[in-house]
Amino acid sequence: AQKITQTQPGMFVQEKEAVTLDCTYDTSDPSYGLFWYKQPSSGEMIFLIYQGSYDQQNATEGRYSLNFQKARKSANLVISASQLGDSAMYFCAMREQSGGGNKLTFGTGTQLKVEL
Amino acid sequence: DTGVSQNPRHKITKRGQNVTFRCDPISEHNRLYWYRQTLGQGPEFLTYFQNEAQLEKSRLLSDRFSAERPKGSFSTLEIQRTEQGDSAMYLCASSVQRPDGYTFGSGTRLTVV
Repeated sequence: AQKITQTQPGMFVQEKEAVTLDCTYDTSDPSYGLFWYKQPSSGEMIFLIYQGSYDQQNATEGRYSLNFQKARKSANLVISASQLGDSAMYFCAMREQSGGGNKLTFGTGTQLKVEL
Repeated sequence: DTGVSQNPRHKITKRGQNVTFRCDPISEHNRLYWYRQTLGQGPEFLTYFQNEAQLEKSRLLSDRFSAERPKGSFSTLEIQRTEQGDSAMYLCASSVQRPDGYTFGSGTRLTVV
């Protein structure tokens, strides 16, 4: 089974609108972390937001928020007030504590296009 | 520049040649990671160092691949006898011991012709 599933290969959103990028995960580890990264066409991976499995509140960072639904094993990224510069590839990733917690497992990504 | 630096940014090589990539992590980060990203996929873990010790290696890291971090600072990733299937983006990341994100470099894009 895939550990991280991103079911939306591509998404379109109009500028200034909000958009939700889906991510579901699979782990039996009680301690884990969930991440979202942005990858523009230039290639660098830009860290956006982190949610720990024991965090009581959903993480927020500026225009980014993480809709964490633990029972459903879902960690969707919400981008509010989309900007043209948000057009990029977005990856969801998980770090599991078992095995040392030293590596991230990534999904296949969602290509977001922000339109005027 | 306080980010993670990777060199070169691009490398084109002929099949069978050896290539070496370099990663300079953020100076206070004791953990360093290598990932490989092929077209249309997310990055896949290759290996991890804590200081100079290589503590974990993925099955993806075949015998032709070797990574070093001799003094616990910069790291090199060498691929011997390159194959077309090695064409990918090679990403380096570094971190301190904390639960949230790594900092990634801009990657080295390898093309094997």
